[in-house]
Amino acid sequence: RKEVEQDPGPFNVPEGATVAFNCTYSNSASQSFFWYRQDCRKEPKLLMSVYSSGNEDGRFTAQLNRASQYISLLIRDSKLSDSATYLCVVKGNYGGSQGNLIFGKGTKLSVKP
Amino acid sequence: EPEVTQTPSHQVTQMGQEVILRCVPISNHLYFYWYRQILGQKVEFLVSFYNNEISEKSEIFDDQFSVERPDGSNFTLKIRSTKLEDSAMYFCASARTEMNTEAFFGQGTRLTVV
Repeated sequence: RKEVEQDPGPFNVPEGATVAFNCTYSNSASQSFFWYRQDCRKEPKLLMSVYSSGNEDGRFTAQLNRASQYISLLIRDSKLSDSATYLCVVKGNYGGSQGNLIFGKGTKLSVKP
Repeated sequence: EPEVTQTPSHQVTQMGQEVILRCVPISNHLYFYWYRQILGQKVEFLVSFYNNEISEKSEIFDDQFSVERPDGSNFTLKIRSTKLEDSAMYFCASARTEMNTEAFFGQGTRLTVV
């Protein structure tokens, strides 16, 4: 089973749409969760951390369900500039790991005018 | 805004040659990482480095690879006897603490082995 699994997409949506990304992780000992954004041929950049209580940053809302080992990201009122690949990332002190990041393969989003 | 810088941005090398990828982490960060991303695939962890020694490495990071922090500012990844399958984007990252803080990534070095 893959450690971090995401729907690869692509998600093609019109401007203004709401889009949701889902992610599952395999190791219940994972302790920290993030969404990163990666533009084509660029480095990953942190979009937001994900907390058990859920958290919101402007148009972006992240949720974590530890029982289901499930993470989500909701983007409201999508903009052209939101077009990118969204990476689900977990981090955890398990199996000898001292906290390196485990990346999903990413979900590609394309927002069209 | 402080950033992680990597050089070169693109390196082309012949199979069998050695390459050194360079990184300057953010100055007050203590944890350093190398990741790689083969074209079209996910970002993969290679190695983490703390207190002047490797703290963890993945299965990918075999004897062909080594890391060094030679002078307190640079953090290098050496790949000996490069293979075609080493072609990838190599990202350096640094973090102030180990857990629950943002890891900042450099812009990457695209390594092409021909």
